Amino acid sequence: GAVVSQHPSRVICKSGTSVKIECRSLDFQATTMFWYRQFPKKSLMLMATSNEGSKATYEQGVEKDKFLINHASLTLSTLTVTSAHPEDSSFYICSARSIAGGRNEQFFGPGTRLTVL
Amino acid sequence: GEDVEQSLFLSVREGDSSVINCTYTDSSSTYLYWYKQEPGAGLQLLTYIFSNMDMKQDQRLTVLLNKKDKHLSLRIADTQTGDSAIYFCAETTYSSASKIIFGSGTRLSIRP
Repeated sequence: GAVVSQHPSRVICKSGTSVKIECRSLDFQATTMFWYRQFPKKSLMLMATSNEGSKATYEQGVEKDKFLINHASLTLSTLTVTSAHPEDSSFYICSARSIAGGRNEQFFGPGTRLTVL
Repeated sequence: GEDVEQSLFLSVREGDSSVINCTYTDSSSTYLYWYKQEPGAGLQLLTYIFSNMDMKQDQRLTVLLNKKDKHLSLRIADTQTGDSAIYFCAETTYSSASKIIFGSGTRLSIRP
């Protein structure tokens, strides 16, 4: 299957700082990428849908000024957690949608664990 | 609305079959998925079934779909220690074609 990478895999930051997480589709082009948040022992919650070259679509309850998403190319989307606070600590997972060969499948990255002190 | 429900835990003996169950509410589901998440890792798509199918088998995995009851199950034959993980049931629907709705996940533990 297609490969999606995330960087960094783990990050620890101080409260009030901003953190950028990258999501890359390594061997396919992704016009759409998705950002999820997973709380401990909970399911994945979709935060936003990122479309290449346009503004991201945020789910209800997700602050777009807090979680900045940029999808500058067909292989890269970034999520920036601005002015991070301890309650932002979570596991963030991205996925990229491949439409190659007529399929419509999402491939998930390995996740980024963010800890805000 | 869209809702996907799973039991939180399942414990089986090594070598036995595991059956993980899932119910969903949206009758307009298109695809139903099973994902596996190992500790500290992302999600791996195990298998999926189109909503007009009843069953799909892939090696040790068997997916059964009862569309009338909106019930999906994943059977893992000859469960091994490497199958220990959290299994997520998920769906996409006609009303939200690109959005995957996940269940809460079932933690499968294997006992010797």
